[in-house]
Amino acid sequence: AQSVTQPDIHITVSEGASLELRCNYSYGATPYLFWYVQSPGQGLQLLLKYFSGDTLVQGIKGFEVEFKRSQSSFNLRKPSVHWSDAAEYFCAVLNQAGTALIFGKGTTLSVSS
Amino acid sequence: GAGVSQSPSNKVTEKGKDVELRCDPISGHTALYWYRQSLGQGLEFLIYFQGNSAPDKSGLPSDRFSAERTGGSVSTLTIQRTQQEDSAVYLCASSLAGDRANEQFFGPGTRLTVL
Repeated sequence: AQSVTQPDIHITVSEGASLELRCNYSYGATPYLFWYVQSPGQGLQLLLKYFSGDTLVQGIKGFEVEFKRSQSSFNLRKPSVHWSDAAEYFCAVLNQAGTALIFGKGTTLSVSS
Repeated sequence: GAGVSQSPSNKVTEKGKDVELRCDPISGHTALYWYRQSLGQGLEFLIYFQGNSAPDKSGLPSDRFSAERTGGSVSTLTIQRTQQEDSAVYLCASSLAGDRANEQFFGPGTRLTVL
């Protein structure tokens, strides 16, 4: 069965420091993978997606991901975190039918000054 | 342009009552999705509509939940005989069809509280 695991429930990073949010997936074929961000009181916004091609993907707001098939990982990275990045981050994989996103439990990011 | 809109933004109801939640997708988006976000279960898929095709209802948790999409646009999610465990934020999303990589655009959600 398809699934997504985000092992970190909550992460705190100092402003200006680098960030890596972990995501592992379980999927039998070529996955369609997504990272979404949810700010307090806001809807989900797509940061980036991957389904083929170059395994290094650039997204909005300076985020990037390196897709590693051998490790079934899709970790989200940012070189320098800003206070406005504090939010909840969700990794997701599209189900095999293409009808639904299967989400991880999310990682809450706090940014300290 | 306008994004996905949902109404009401908040709904408080008593256990046993029926509720209807509305979603207006982005114009031109033929695919529409409902999800539920709760503290215990995270984000869960409920139902998917694509054009005139039969919907994918595999995520609906019980027969108290139903949804329809009229005219290929607006959708209504109905929960009958609400229970306290139905309390959650109900999210609607829409996307263009034809490509599995198409982004799903999410609405702000309806927060449902069942007393």
